[in-house]
Parts: sequence; structure tokens; C-alpha cells
Amino acid sequence: QKEVEQDPGPLSVPEGAIVSLNCTYSNSAFQYFMWYRQYSRKGPELLMYTYSSGNKEDGRFTAQVDKSSKYISLFIRDSQPSDSATYLCALDTGRRALTFGSGTRLQVQP
Amino acid sequence: GAVVSQHPSRVICKSGTSVKIECRSLDFQATTMFWYRQFPKKSLMLMATSNEGSKATYEQGVEKDKFLINHASLTLSTLTVTSAHPEDSSFYICSANSPASTGKNIQYFGAGTRLSVL
Repeated sequence: QKEVEQDPGPLSVPEGAIVSLNCTYSNSAFQYFMWYRQYSRKGPELLMYTYSSGNKEDGRFTAQVDKSSKYISLFIRDSQPSDSATYLCALDTGRRALTFGSGTRLQVQP
Repeated sequence: GAVVSQHPSRVICKSGTSVKIECRSLDFQATTMFWYRQFPKKSLMLMATSNEGSKATYEQGVEKDKFLINHASLTLSTLTVTSAHPEDSSFYICSANSPASTGKNIQYFGAGTRLSVL
């Protein structure tokens, strides 16, 4: 079993839709949770950082963590074509090396 | 956010040659940098953790003699792929922690280097 599971997609939605991206994990030692966005042939860009269960909102993005279920989500409201990218969840036990999900490819159709 | 610069962005080389990739933290000092490898449509796999002034820590299965890492200063880490072969062709990405993110392991990534070995 992989430490972090993420549906690879692709996920195709119309412009303006609400997007839900998810990761599940098996290691309860993970304490910090991040979402990165990666455009094709570019390095990942940090979107959200959380370390506690609950919701964190930043503009159109909301990160949700449920430690009891070992489940994290990223919601994108009012999705735009420019949101089309691969979204990676990244988890950290505190030992500094991140464990990434496989990434979900998102396509927002205009 | 902190800026990490990676160079070159693209390199094509002949089999058997060595290739050096540079990773620089532009506006902060990074005592630790990370090197990842990414295959097409796959996630990032950590190769090694680069520590300033000491030897890198390699992940299991990564050949340290094949992938030489040097972190000679607080703003520069290099990855040298020695005697490159076609199976080394991949997307290599570096990252660094910003001191501003004290207590948080927030990594900022370079733009990546696409290596093609002919």
C-alpha cells in the first residue's frame, strides 16, 4: 500500500465549477499537509499549507484536513481555465522530506 | 514566497557524458536543499537531501556515485549526473526550505531541468 494515494485523473470540469481534489494516507505520523500546483514542465508551486484538522481558506482555495480519517482535500471555487494543471498533495512527518501523492491532472474547459 | 532558481532548464547530452545541474536560493540562505526526480505523468520522488557543508543523504535505491551532490554554500547545491545513460533521462527538480518558514517544512521549488540522454 502506498503511503499517499491520489486519484491521477484527468479531471475535466467546465469553467466556474467547484473542484474537489483528494488524498488519503496511511501513516498517522504525517503532521503537515500541503497542496502544490504544477504546470506542465515546471516546478511545483505551493498553494496551501495546513497542520491541523479543519478547514483553511485562501481566496478561491480551501484546504481541508481530517486526521481521524487520514483524508485531505483541496477545493477550488469558480474554477478558471488557468487552474488547469496537475495538483499534488504533499505530506510531512516533520523529518523534512516530503511525501508526494501521484498528482491529479485538472482541466478546466472554457 | 522565496525564489529558487534552477539551471539549465533543458539539457541534451550524449551517453557517457556528465551533466551538472545547479540549484540556487536567490533571496534566502538554505542550509538544506532537496533533489527530486519526476517521470512523465508521475509524482516527485525524493533522491537525496543536500546539507550545506556535509555529505548528502541519499534515499534507498539512489546511487550516490551516479548522482553526485555538492552543497558548498548556503545558496547553491549542485547535482551531477555522471556517465549519463538514456535511462537517466528525466525531469530533475530541486527545492529548499526558506528560513522565513521557521517551524514549517515549506519547500520552494526550482523550475526543473529536463535531461535527455541520447
